[in-house]
Amino acid sequence: QKEVEQNSGPLSVPEGAIASLNCTYSDRGSQSFFWYRQYSGKSPELIMFIYSNGDKEDGRFTAQLNKASQYVSLLIRDSQPSDSATYLCAVIAWDNQGGKLIFGQGTELSVKP
Amino acid sequence: EAGVAQSPRYKIIEKRQSVAFWCNPISGHATLYWYQQILGQGPKLLIQFQNNGVVDDSQLPKDRFSAERLKGVDSTLKIQPAKLEDSAVYLCASSKSSLGVNEQFFGPGTRLTVL
Repeated sequence: QKEVEQNSGPLSVPEGAIASLNCTYSDRGSQSFFWYRQYSGKSPELIMFIYSNGDKEDGRFTAQLNKASQYVSLLIRDSQPSDSATYLCAVIAWDNQGGKLIFGQGTELSVKP
Repeated sequence: EAGVAQSPRYKIIEKRQSVAFWCNPISGHATLYWYQQILGQGPKLLIQFQNNGVVDDSQLPKDRFSAERLKGVDSTLKIQPAKLEDSAVYLCASSKSSLGVNEQFFGPGTRLTVL
């Protein structure tokens, strides 16, 4: 069973701080990694994807990937109350039926004004 | 561009009853997915269609769940008979293809409560 693990939180940070969200995955063959944001009662929306080792920056968001350690993270700089949501890490895992997106359980982030 | 449409948004049924959900993907998206999201968990893939063919249904409880996408556009997911543990949000998503890095767009979901 291929797995994606996240700390469920809640992670609480003050406004303006850096929020760090972490994720580990079990399938060494995974090549594509995604971060989704899900507001309470809403559906997930993609905020970043990464498939090369290292960092990828998009505005206040930075995704970091370390395939050797099977670890992917999301940093949110200058956190805002509007960033309060659950962040889902997802990994494409491959089996004999093709690739499928495997989600972690999500980390709840709360940004306090 | 219209997003993924789902109906109904909410459904309450008693155990052993049947229920059906409908999804209309984004126009032109060949791949359609049904996910089950239990409270406090991430979405779990139930079934994936490529056009009107099933790509992956390995996690679909086939004794009670069924899904179809007859004309390669909209899709229905049915549960018969429902169990208490089926209470969840059922999310439909679509993407242009299932290959490579492709973004899945999610619909608003159907929240099912089984009493």
